[in-house]
Amino acid sequence: NAGVTQTPKFQVLKTGQSMTLQCAQDMNHEYMSWYRQDPGMGLRLIHYSVGAGITDQGEVPNGYNVSRSTTEDFPLRLLSAAPSQTSVYFCASSERTGNYGYTFGSGTRLTVV
Amino acid sequence: DAKTTQPTSMDCAEGRAANLPCNHSTISGNEYVYWYRQIHSQGPQYIIHGLKNNETNEMASLIITEDRKSSTLILPHATLRDTAVYYCIASRAAGNKLTFGGGTRVLVKP
Repeated sequence: NAGVTQTPKFQVLKTGQSMTLQCAQDMNHEYMSWYRQDPGMGLRLIHYSVGAGITDQGEVPNGYNVSRSTTEDFPLRLLSAAPSQTSVYFCASSERTGNYGYTFGSGTRLTVV
Repeated sequence: DAKTTQPTSMDCAEGRAANLPCNHSTISGNEYVYWYRQIHSQGPQYIIHGLKNNETNEMASLIITEDRKSSTLILPHATLRDTAVYYCIASRAAGNKLTFGGGTRVLVKP
């Protein structure tokens, strides 16, 4: 049981490049979310999903796209990277009841130069 | 989801109980109180949650006041590994999305 797996762990992008941050969970969780955390700050919600085929925007969705074609995977796409998107990105998943809270991945550290 | 207010930081002594307060005066009847912690730069870790009753698990206890306007997370015997940022979150449904505030930075000292 691997939990929530995020890849890559580190990435450096040039301004204007696009990329996809991968997130996979093997717990059959319905709910999945993406957060970003800037240095010294709390986590801010980017996008979330309550099930396959259903996604919605969070607090800071601009510049990011998501899709949820399967229960297991919830990739986050950066359309055209900007230095302001330099951050640590966390993916999380939860079962519908929330009885065990959200399980978070170990994060992807992204630097845009 | 209701806004929560926590102290910015607090220190506690190793081996002693750590009591972390949280105010959520506008919490609605169907909102749970969740606690998470984030150690250094790791992903947040779920600790405990509750609706009305006090809760206890292997990590901590959660005391919720009768009017539900505030709560206290208790780490019964703090260790150096409990040094972290602790987040108190009010969430409308058990599995709903979470909105993180600034949290409390807890430093456990020898």
